[in-house]
Amino acid sequence: QVQLVQSGAEVKKPGASVKLSCKASGYTFSGHAIHWVRQAPGQRLEFMGWINTGNGDTKYSQNFQGTVTITRDTSATTAYMELSSLRSEDTAVYYCARDCSSGTCYDNWGQGTLVTVSS
Amino acid sequence: DIQMTQSPSSVSASVGDRVTITCRASQGISSDLAWYQQKPGKPPKLLIKAASTLQSGVPSRFTGSGSGTEFTLTISSLQPEDFATYFCLQANSFPRTFGGGTKVEIK
Repeated sequence: QVQLVQSGAEVKKPGASVKLSCKASGYTFSGHAIHWVRQAPGQRLEFMGWINTGNGDTKYSQNFQGTVTITRDTSATTAYMELSSLRSEDTAVYYCARDCSSGTCYDNWGQGTLVTVSS
Repeated sequence: DIQMTQSPSSVSASVGDRVTITCRASQGISSDLAWYQQKPGKPPKLLIKAASTLQSGVPSRFTGSGSGTEFTLTISSLQPEDFATYFCLQANSFPRTFGGGTKVEIK
């Protein structure tokens, strides 16, 4: 079955960077884009960016331009999301999600990774 | 960015009740809307895609309707396992945006 397994919780200081991973299994990795979405406490879900796992093309939300980098390792069937210049407002649960075949939904999600930014 | 306005933000209901949740898009998104259920500490679960297509394995008491700017998720007869938060996602226009969520609570 399709699985997305994310790396564990992180605690970072303001100004630091964090790199999260999302290991995919149960399907052809290059056949579905991977998106990253975050959920801050009490806030709605927020799209960050996505990667075409086939050719590596990426697209980022304007809100995260310059601070987020999404990459993938096809041999490891893993996508990565690095967020830099962390601020306390970046404290959130970060999810990776697999794009539906239609490209108009997410049909599988990782379990989420809590990132806490605190001095 | 397309704004997704979801209502109500919360609803108290009893087992067996019919519950309706609405999402309105700030501009037309065709049928590129999905509905999700989320329970505390868990990732979202896809219920409905393309506005009205039931995801495999999801009970038929969940139905979605609408197109353009107004969409509805209906739970025909609320079950104990349905108490959760529901939200919509528009995937018509970049960036994808989400509704603010509706918490369905036990009355």
